[in-house]
Amino acid sequence: QQQVKQSPQSLIVQKGGISIINCAYENTAFDYFPWYQQFPGKGPALLIAIRPDVSEKKEGRFTISFNKSAKQFSLHIMDSQPGDSATYFCAATSNAGGTSYGKLTFGQGTILTVHP
Amino acid sequence: NAGVTQTPKFQVLKTGQSMTLQCAQDMNHEYMSWYRQDPGMGLRLIHYSVGAGITDQGEVPNGYNVSRSTTEDFPLRLLSAAPSQTSVYFCASSYRMLSRVGDYGYTFGSGTRLTVV
Repeated sequence: QQQVKQSPQSLIVQKGGISIINCAYENTAFDYFPWYQQFPGKGPALLIAIRPDVSEKKEGRFTISFNKSAKQFSLHIMDSQPGDSATYFCAATSNAGGTSYGKLTFGQGTILTVHP
Repeated sequence: NAGVTQTPKFQVLKTGQSMTLQCAQDMNHEYMSWYRQDPGMGLRLIHYSVGAGITDQGEVPNGYNVSRSTTEDFPLRLLSAAPSQTSVYFCASSYRMLSRVGDYGYTFGSGTRLTVV
């Protein structure tokens, strides 16, 4: 059962454009939503994360928008650069029972290509 | 500070062989986990541990075994390799509680690419 659905599977953006990746979740117990960036041959690296008590979080060119009622969250990459070309994963986890933060549920991933 | 170290980086196994993927972290993280990454499926949790001596199953545990005798090490054992276990395997570690900067410090290793023929 895929509890976090991510779209699109692939995205092509011109340099300077805005990249938008969307995720939807089912489990209302999720309370921590990170985004990971993965370059070929490397492990995922934490990019930015949000908790459901805020609707938006911005770090540099990267912004997470969070809609708790719709159970959706999205990553916006402003002024996209060729160096941003990578695979992006959304994820979610919850602290139900106090032992669950080791268990990340990932979306399927989005391959972003930024053309110069 | 090496973070999460995985060995080997590449491995080819024959069907039925067994092997152990090694994972070590030097950040004193309580949590450690193993994920497998397959095209179009994201990363799926195999097993995880909330501390030394404590392990539990994730989403896809069949065919894998883990143990955690120390805080630093969390090896993954393939009992009898099958072609369906061809994948990229990632080990990760994290804090149990939110850090001062508001995250759990999830850190992934660089992965082991396993091919079972």
